[in-house]
Amino acid sequence: EIVLTQSPGTLSLSPGERATLSCRASQSVSTSYVAWYQQKPGQAPRLFIYGASSRATGIPDRFSGSGSGTDFTLTISRLEPEDFAVYYCQQYGSSPWTFGQGTKVEIK
Amino acid sequence: EVQLVESGGGLVKPGGSLRLSCAASGFTFSSYSMNWVRQAPGKGLEWVSSISHSSSYIYYADSVKGRLTISRDYAKNSLYLQMNSLRAEDTAVYYCARSSWGSGWFFDYWGQGTLVTVSS
Repeated sequence: EIVLTQSPGTLSLSPGERATLSCRASQSVSTSYVAWYQQKPGQAPRLFIYGASSRATGIPDRFSGSGSGTDFTLTISRLEPEDFAVYYCQQYGSSPWTFGQGTKVEIK
Repeated sequence: EVQLVESGGGLVKPGGSLRLSCAASGFTFSSYSMNWVRQAPGKGLEWVSSISHSSSYIYYADSVKGRLTISRDYAKNSLYLQMNSLRAEDTAVYYCARSSWGSGWFFDYWGQGTLVTVSS
């Protein structure tokens, strides 16, 4: 099973700042099959990035994904008020599909 | 508009059973793989089970294998999760989620979830 470790656990930033979220896999993820989801309190997760770097439908271009092998990154270029939430990475390169423990992006 | 609506959650005693349903609309159900993902209170996401668009491929997390069974009904555009021998650690919100066949097992649409509580 591929274990995903996200860092940091909490990111305290101000609107307009840049956010960099890390997701490290315990072994290489085939074909960069990594997705990122945003979840707000009381809501279902929402797909933001798939294939490590492809934005899902309707996701603004301030969100970008990168990485390969075991290291993946979600970058938010300029935080908007609606971006403060928890973000999860997921690998779907090999079963069982696994999630990271999440990074909370909070308002500083 | 893609819609996934879960139902069937509730309070059940340890060792009991429950059947979750997910009604799908707004897309061609038979063309998409489907999944269950759960989230224990205050915790992260955990993948539970997946079924391919044709039901030819079915996968389970080790933590639920032998106790939970995924299935789908194409005539009713519905996904199911039969949950037997439930344990306290199965307590969670259960989400139904869609995957595009051939693109990989990521989840592009999610329902709002249904809460399952296992307690005596």
